[in-house]
Amino acid sequence: NFMLTQPHSVSESPGKTVTISCTRSSGSIASNYVQWYQQRPGSAPTTVIYEDNQRPSGVPDRFSGSIDSSSNSASLTISGLKTEDEADYYCQSYDSSNRVVFGGGTKLTVL
Amino acid sequence: EVQLVESGGGLVQPGGSLRLSCAASGFTFSSYDMHWVRQATGKGLEWVSAIGTAGDTYYPGSVKGRFTISRENAKNSLYLQMNSLRAGDTAVYYCAAAAGVIYWGQGTLVTVSS
Repeated sequence: NFMLTQPHSVSESPGKTVTISCTRSSGSIASNYVQWYQQRPGSAPTTVIYEDNQRPSGVPDRFSGSIDSSSNSASLTISGLKTEDEADYYCQSYDSSNRVVFGGGTKLTVL
Repeated sequence: EVQLVESGGGLVQPGGSLRLSCAASGFTFSSYDMHWVRQATGKGLEWVSAIGTAGDTYYPGSVKGRFTISRENAKNSLYLQMNSLRAGDTAVYYCAAAAGVIYWGQGTLVTVSS
């Protein structure tokens, strides 16, 4: 099976842009869709990106997703950072047997 | 409005059993793959099980043989039967519905302790 590796934490100032990476350890990042979840403290996760780059209804277009086959990674980019974006972010994909794989999570601090 | 409401959590002794339920509304339940995901306090998300629209089931090695996922489309309900519970199973358990977009419930707390 493969692992998804995320940075433990990132920080950036309000109004700036931040990118969170998610690197797949083996197999192609493009072979299975990647999802991104936001989890604010004390709350359940919510989906901010699905199928690599799709935004659910209600998610602002400040959130975008992409994959890069050269680095075998997916990225979540948040532009125009707001203090309300401060949360944990998790990437997720599937293996060839439809089992779910989560990244370890990245704590985003907006300061 | 999509709603997923988990229930059935609580305190159980090691070796005991518990059955979680997830009531779904606001979407065509039978058309969605359904998942259980758990999160221990201060830890990341851990996938627990999945059931496809055709009833195919999937488990990670950590729960295989102890947990059973099932669904009842006529009742728009998802279940997780958990047997031989261990302290390491203590977590908030979330149900999630996936068909492209993924919807999440609010979770139910399971505590395994003597």
